Amino acid sequence: AQSVAQPEDQVNVAEGNPLTVKCTYSVSGNPYLFWYVQYPNRGLQFLLKYITGDNLVKGSYGFEAEFNKSQTSFHLKKPSALVSDSALYFCAVRDASNTGKLIFGQGTTLQVKP
Amino acid sequence: DAGVIQSPRHEVTEMGQEVTLRCKPISGHNSLFWYRQTMMRGLELLIYFNNNVPIDDSGMPEDRFSAKMPNASFSTLKIQPSEPRDSAVYFCASSFQLAATYEQYFGPGTRLTVT
Repeated sequence: AQSVAQPEDQVNVAEGNPLTVKCTYSVSGNPYLFWYVQYPNRGLQFLLKYITGDNLVKGSYGFEAEFNKSQTSFHLKKPSALVSDSALYFCAVRDASNTGKLIFGQGTTLQVKP
Repeated sequence: DAGVIQSPRHEVTEMGQEVTLRCKPISGHNSLFWYRQTMMRGLELLIYFNNNVPIDDSGMPEDRFSAKMPNASFSTLKIQPSEPRDSAVYFCASSFQLAATYEQYFGPGTRLTVT
């Protein structure tokens, strides 16, 4: 069965420092991977996805993610964090049923301090 | 496009009352998903539809919950009777499955409080 794991409940970084939010996955077949962000009192917003091609995927708000097949990871990164990046981040993988269903991780809270 | 539209944004009701949540997906999308989010349980998929047909309702917690999608532009999630443990934020999301890209677009959510 497809699954994703986000090993950190919370990540704390200082503004201006690089940030990484970790995600590992387990899939049968080729992985379709996604990152979403949820700001307080809002719905989830799509950030970026990996389907195929370049292992480094660029997305919205300056975020990028690196697909690593050997480590089965899809970590979210940003070179310089902003206080406004503070939010809840979800990693997701396409379900094997190929019906459009996504399997979401439990979420990681990112706290960027000034 | 206005994005996914949900109504109401907030609902406060008493235990035992019927609650109906509404969703209008993005025009042209053919998949629709209902999620529930709580602090304790995180984000849970309740049910999803492809081309207006329910595909998987295994996430619906019990028979008090039901969902319909009478046409491509409207879906409802109904709870009858409601209980305090149903208090949560309910999200609707839609996607265009045939594009094989699968990203889902979420509505702003309905915050339900059952007293």
